[in-house]
Parts: sequence; C-alpha cells; structure tokens
Amino acid sequence: GAGVSQSPRYKVTKRGQDVALRCDPISGHVSLYWYRQALGQGPEFLTYFNYEAQQDKSGLPNDRFSAERPEGSISTLTIQRTEQRDSAMYRCASSLVQGRSPLHFGNGTRLTVT
Amino acid sequence: AQSVTQLDSHVSVSEGTPVLLRCNYSSSYSPSLFWYVQHPNKGLQLLLKYTSAATLVKGINGFEAEFKKSETSFHLTKPSAHMSDAAEYFCVVSGDDKIIFGKGTRLHILP
Repeated sequence: GAGVSQSPRYKVTKRGQDVALRCDPISGHVSLYWYRQALGQGPEFLTYFNYEAQQDKSGLPNDRFSAERPEGSISTLTIQRTEQRDSAMYRCASSLVQGRSPLHFGNGTRLTVT
Repeated sequence: AQSVTQLDSHVSVSEGTPVLLRCNYSSSYSPSLFWYVQHPNKGLQLLLKYTSAATLVKGINGFEAEFKKSETSFHLTKPSAHMSDAAEYFCVVSGDDKIIFGKGTRLHILP
C-alpha cells in the first residue's frame, strides 16, 4: 500500500484479555519497528525486525509482550493478560533499510485497558 | 549503544522570531540523526535527516539542523516561527541497530 497501515485504530479491552495489534508496512521495506507512546511522551522503543528476524526485543516491558513478522511483511504485536498500565498508543514504523533511512509511521493503535 | 537528550521539554517563542530546539546525542557509531514533528492528535512526520553527507541539513517548512560532531549536537532551527509550527518535536538517533527517540520538545508559538 501507499503507507504503513495499522489495525485496529482503537481497541478497548478488559483487564486480563489478550490483544493482537497488526501492522502492514510499506511494501519492500526491510525494517519494521514497534513503539509505544504514552500521552505527552516520546515514542518508546519496543522491538524491531529486519525481514522476518527479530533483531532486538530489549524494549518489550515484560514477557506478556511478544511480536512476530513471520513472512517478513505484516507484523503482529501481542499483549497477553492486559493490564491498565498497558494503555497507550502503539505505533508501528517501517524503513527501507535498517537504521539509516527514515521511519514511516502508521497512524497507530490506541489501546485502552479497562 | 546510543542515546539522545532534548534539553528543553517546552520552548515558547513569538510568531516571527527564531526557533531553536536543542538536541544532544551519544552514539558508538557514526550516527544518523533525524527530527520528527508531531502535531496534536496526529502521527509522526519526518522534518529532516542527517546521514553523514552535508552537516547543515535543510528540511521541510523552513526548518534546518546542523550536525556538530565536536559538540555531539543536532539542534533544530527556523529563522521565523509560524503559528502552524506549534507541535511536539522529536530528535532521533540511529546507529546500526535500534532507533531511539528523545523525550520531545513542545514548541509553543505566541501571537
């Protein structure tokens, strides 16, 4: 597609439920990044992929968070047993090559855990 | 490893006056540096990037930034602020691994 697409745009879930957030990057982009942005804060790095390989997951807060990109294109960020503190905007970005080319961001998924 | 520090969380300038948003970085590698802008309730938009070519980089909307290796800085400037520049600005550093965002500087434009 023309840009990075994230779905759903909004997700409201009850505490304890699992959620899956989807990111469809720009076609041909090698790198895919996940960030979390709390209100009034900068994007916080979670994890990133080159092709299908997860290069760095040091930003994932705990083992309830996981991400995959099985075919090197679409990625899913999964949060298990959600907690209220997980509420945030989750942003996905892709870039043509790792590190040196600009990030293209999707519109994000606003997650609210009640 | 790399890190980035935006020295001011808020900056207020009058319309028509110069803008200076400060950013210092740390990187083990020769970094790439970026500035992104985020308008209220909007996504992140690239303003400009430095990737080891010219040290003075021009971006969109009249913004520019100068890479100063000796000072490890990449400050963002604009000669004359416009009301539409009111937004959050993020300085970003990238080495050969993850890309790190600064905490952001909120730019307020006074009429």
